[in-house]
Amino acid sequence: DAEITQSPRHKITETGRQVTLACHQTWNHNNMFWYRQDLGHGLRLIHYSYGVQDTNKGEVSDGYSVSRSNTEDLPLTLESAASSQTSVYFCASSEDAGGRTGELFFGEGSRLTVL
Amino acid sequence: QQQVKQSPQSLIVQKGGISIINCAYENTAFDYFPWYQQFPGKGPALLIAIRPDVSEKKEGRFTISFNKSAKQFSLHIMDSQPGDSATYFCAAADDSNYQLIWGAGTKLIIKP
Repeated sequence: DAEITQSPRHKITETGRQVTLACHQTWNHNNMFWYRQDLGHGLRLIHYSYGVQDTNKGEVSDGYSVSRSNTEDLPLTLESAASSQTSVYFCASSEDAGGRTGELFFGEGSRLTVL
Repeated sequence: QQQVKQSPQSLIVQKGGISIINCAYENTAFDYFPWYQQFPGKGPALLIAIRPDVSEKKEGRFTISFNKSAKQFSLHIMDSQPGDSATYFCAAADDSNYQLIWGAGTKLIIKP
């Protein structure tokens, strides 16, 4: 079965360290997204990609970066982790549905704590 | 104008009752309105979605009602069951960029 996997599922790090969260999907979807989920804020878009070598900033992109070197992977990097980046991070993918917004398939999340 | 406002924040319903969650939006360009269900420790999963060409869509016990003129849409869960206890998110998008704008979520608890 196709799936989307995130790793690590849990991470504790210190302020100022670089952290990379991995996301791997076997759906062969062109579209991939990174969200953060915080209580009272729902899901906020960090970065997204519509295909290989394509990356775009979302509404809360400061302090984060992504790269897309193949269809399957979209790693999220926190260049210098801050306590405000303590959150649950979700990766999602969707197929290119001929110009129409399609169903998002989510990973199970990565809980990041920055001390 | 990009916001989607969701209410209530939390909801407790007796088993067998009707759960109702409401969402409102401002951007008239939105033309796709999904609801996602999230269980603890899991990612959200699509529950049901509607486009503005219909006013209602039903899938089993779950119904979306859509009011284009009021710019509101709601999720109704009939005969609510303890297994429906989860967090529900509404969202909206326009097809120009595939990006969903999310409501803040509703934590639903169904009491046995």
